[in-house]
Amino acid sequence: DIQMTQSPSSLSASVGDRVTITCRTSQSISNYLNWYQQKPGKAPKLLIYAASSLQSGVPSRFSGSGSGTDFTLTISSLQPEDFATYYCQQSYSPPWTFGQGTKVEIK
Amino acid sequence: QVQLVQSGAEVKKPGASVKVSCKTSGYTFAAYYMHWVRQAPGQGLEWMGWMNLNTGGTYYAQKFQGRVTMTRDTSMSTAYMELSRLTSDDSAVYYCARGIGDIVVVPDATRPPYSDYWGQGTLVTVSS
Repeated sequence: DIQMTQSPSSLSASVGDRVTITCRTSQSISNYLNWYQQKPGKAPKLLIYAASSLQSGVPSRFSGSGSGTDFTLTISSLQPEDFATYYCQQSYSPPWTFGQGTKVEIK
Repeated sequence: QVQLVQSGAEVKKPGASVKVSCKTSGYTFAAYYMHWVRQAPGQGLEWMGWMNLNTGGTYYAQKFQGRVTMTRDTSMSTAYMELSRLTSDDSAVYYCARGIGDIVVVPDATRPPYSDYWGQGTLVTVSS
């Protein structure tokens, strides 16, 4: 199975901050990487697919980059509604695996 | 609009089975795939498996092989996930998620697959 390592596991940030979350995979997965946002008690929501493609309806302050084994999710200007947990997921090889999550909290 | 509506919360005893349904609407059911993902309390997301809603083909994560069965009823646009021989470790919220793209890819030739719409989740509690 492909192992996923997200960092940091949590972070505190203020509204307006630029936030970067990193995901590293145990083997090269090209651009087969998705990002999800999850708020407490809610289902995950797709933000980014294919490493850098913005899902329809997702604000443009979210962006993704990377290829191979190293990927990044960036929130350019953190908004109050962005406080949540973020997960990366590889879809290169089943079983699909998720990172352990990054919780973004209010500073 | 695309909707995935899951069945309600379940309480089961150890050793029993649970069957969760995922009723879809707003799109052509058999033109897509369905993933099942679970989340134990306070934990991360765990992918359980996948079904091709057109052919009925499945892929189960090795951890669940022999215990999980994914099926569908195309006439009802509904997918099902049944998990047997439950233990307390199976207490979790179970999600269905619509899949875009086959899980078997040709690297750099196949468009990357992903899950775009999710059900609201079904809490399964296993307790004696």
